[in-house]
Amino acid sequence: DVKVTQSSRYLVKRTGEKVFLECVQDMDHENMFWYRQDPGLGLRLIYFSYDVKMKEKGDIPEGYSVSREKKERFSLILESASTNQTSMYLCASSGGDLVYEQYFGPGTRLTVT
Amino acid sequence: QKEVEQNSGPLSVPEGAIASLNCTYSDRGSQSFFWYRQYSGKSPELIMFIYSNGDKEDGRFTAQLNKASQYVSLLIRDSQPSDSATYLCAVGPGYALNFGKGTSLLVTP
Repeated sequence: DVKVTQSSRYLVKRTGEKVFLECVQDMDHENMFWYRQDPGLGLRLIYFSYDVKMKEKGDIPEGYSVSREKKERFSLILESASTNQTSMYLCASSGGDLVYEQYFGPGTRLTVT
Repeated sequence: QKEVEQNSGPLSVPEGAIASLNCTYSDRGSQSFFWYRQYSGKSPELIMFIYSNGDKEDGRFTAQLNKASQYVSLLIRDSQPSDSATYLCAVGPGYALNFGKGTSLLVTP
């Protein structure tokens, strides 16, 4: 079974803090994704990566950056957290024979106060 | 903008009935189609995928794809209260998927 883990289930940060969200997958998947999910807005893609050190902007990259130094790990960075970044953050991965099928981690509910 | 449209619901069906969930998409170049189930407070779980026109069955679930009409649906037979969740349709021309906002399904005992 595909396993995607995220570093925190719940996180509370203050405005202006630098925030790191970590995602690790154990299936040797090439592709990894960061989404945020908000009521009424659905799942929105922030960034994705199709290889180590490679990244592509999604639909809403502003205010975020990412890092992928190792194949199994994909980090989302909020450079200076703001209250409008309060959301559920979901990481997903895909690859191998199941190249388009994305599997999600449990999510991190981030609150910025 | 590549759009994936779903009726937000809630769709209410009695236990044992067939639930029919629908999704339309705008990108004619889309090649892969997925249905995810998401329980409240949980992350999306992949339940079905379909790549070719026609029907694909897996247990109580059937995915139906009509590329000419840009339409994909999910049928859930013998619906159970445990099927109550939000169902997300996702469509991909490539690695990055476009998600609909989901349809809320309520199965009543």
